[in-house]
Amino acid sequence: DTEVTQTPKHLVMGMTNKKSLKCEQHMGHRAMYWYKQKAKKPPELMFVYSYEKLSINESVPSRFSPECPNSSLLNLHLHALQPEDSALYLCASSQDGEAYNEQFFGPGTRLTVL
Amino acid sequence: AQKVTQAQTEISVVEKEDVTLDCVYETRDTTYYLFWYKQPPSGELVFLIRRNSFDEQNEISGRYSWNFQKSTSSFNFTITASQVVDSAVYFCALSEAESTDSWGKLQFGAGTQVVVTP
Repeated sequence: DTEVTQTPKHLVMGMTNKKSLKCEQHMGHRAMYWYKQKAKKPPELMFVYSYEKLSINESVPSRFSPECPNSSLLNLHLHALQPEDSALYLCASSQDGEAYNEQFFGPGTRLTVL
Repeated sequence: AQKVTQAQTEISVVEKEDVTLDCVYETRDTTYYLFWYKQPPSGELVFLIRRNSFDEQNEISGRYSWNFQKSTSSFNFTITASQVVDSAVYFCALSEAESTDSWGKLQFGAGTQVVVTP
């Protein structure tokens, strides 16, 4: 199984809502990533978990809260988002986070904040 | 500072034409890795190839080929006999193995939109 799955595919939320994005992989990978991608732009790294510990936080606002319950799951909790947070949110995983690892991406969650 | 430059914003070709995507990178590391990813309209980034800094051997895989030249810091990608299914955004990315600030991060170029028309 070389697939990274993400749910939901689409999400519309108001600025006062709390929602969560979910990501799952069954490749035995020990590094997982959240990216944000705006239209016609490359993905921007948000967070990296390595061996279930947060290893990189790219100065992301606290209204985004990542969680890694186990090595296969990665969540992104959303609270009090702004319309400018509307974007495609991509999850990825890699073998162990080393520089040579290729990352496998999920299909993304397209988030709209009203 | 932008470490990966993809100067071509969009390339339009007619089916069966060849298309070459340029990628220029910048790094002080001796050990680094270069990647190409494809992002079709569905949104999922698909890994195409990885090259390490010590291996300048060019590679051909089916209709895809890659030309890595350290002397010019370039890692170009060619699609031969393009097909409509090749229409996508293609990203070149750099991963540095020595810099503590960028270790573990994929640094993407801006991407090149390839449009193949029948």
